[in-house]
Amino acid sequence: EAQVTQNPRYLITVTGKKLTVTCSQNMNHEYMSWYRQDPGLGLRQIYYSMNVEVTDKGDVPEGYKVSRKEKRNFPLILESPSPNQTSLYFCASSLSGGVNTGELFFGEGSRLTVL
Amino acid sequence: GNSVTQMEGPVTLSEEAFLTINCTYTATGYPSLFWYVQYPGEGLQLLLKATKADDKGSNKGFEATYRKETTSFHLEKGSVQVSDSAVYFCALRGNTGGFKTIFGAGTRLFVKA
Repeated sequence: EAQVTQNPRYLITVTGKKLTVTCSQNMNHEYMSWYRQDPGLGLRQIYYSMNVEVTDKGDVPEGYKVSRKEKRNFPLILESPSPNQTSLYFCASSLSGGVNTGELFFGEGSRLTVL
Repeated sequence: GNSVTQMEGPVTLSEEAFLTINCTYTATGYPSLFWYVQYPGEGLQLLLKATKADDKGSNKGFEATYRKETTSFHLEKGSVQVSDSAVYFCALRGNTGGFKTIFGAGTRLFVKA
């Protein structure tokens, strides 16, 4: 089954404790992206990757890191989480970065709470 | 830069009512336009899309037409069901800036039996 898998789905942590949210897709997609969803703000892009070893900042990259060492995986790293990073996070992928192949496939989301 | 504006919710309708959720956009060039739906506790999934002006996207009884002259992509359904209760997001994917997909704030729809 074609899917985007995120882990963990739920996490409560404390300020400053490094964490990683994993994302894996089995569709051989080139393009992957991380979003955060906050009430009233819709989805805002954190980072994206056009292909292996190619990553770039989205609209709200502060406090986050990513890497793309393999095509299928795109982990999101919070080196020193803070309470304002409490949010619902979504990983998404698409076939390529081209505008006409742009439909995104989403994971089920990871709800993160930073105390 | 590119942006998407959609009507605020929540929208509450009775079953079999007509649905319209307004969406307008600002973009340079020729973006693709999308509606995504998010059911409770799930990720977003594509509902329909249109890739050029005057295209009509349709799926599951929902429709939206890409209107370049009014920069709009309004979502419509003739007769909603309780199972349509969800959050709906209008989105565009431009051809600049890393082909980023930009989302509206989302509109929550409640359908009453």
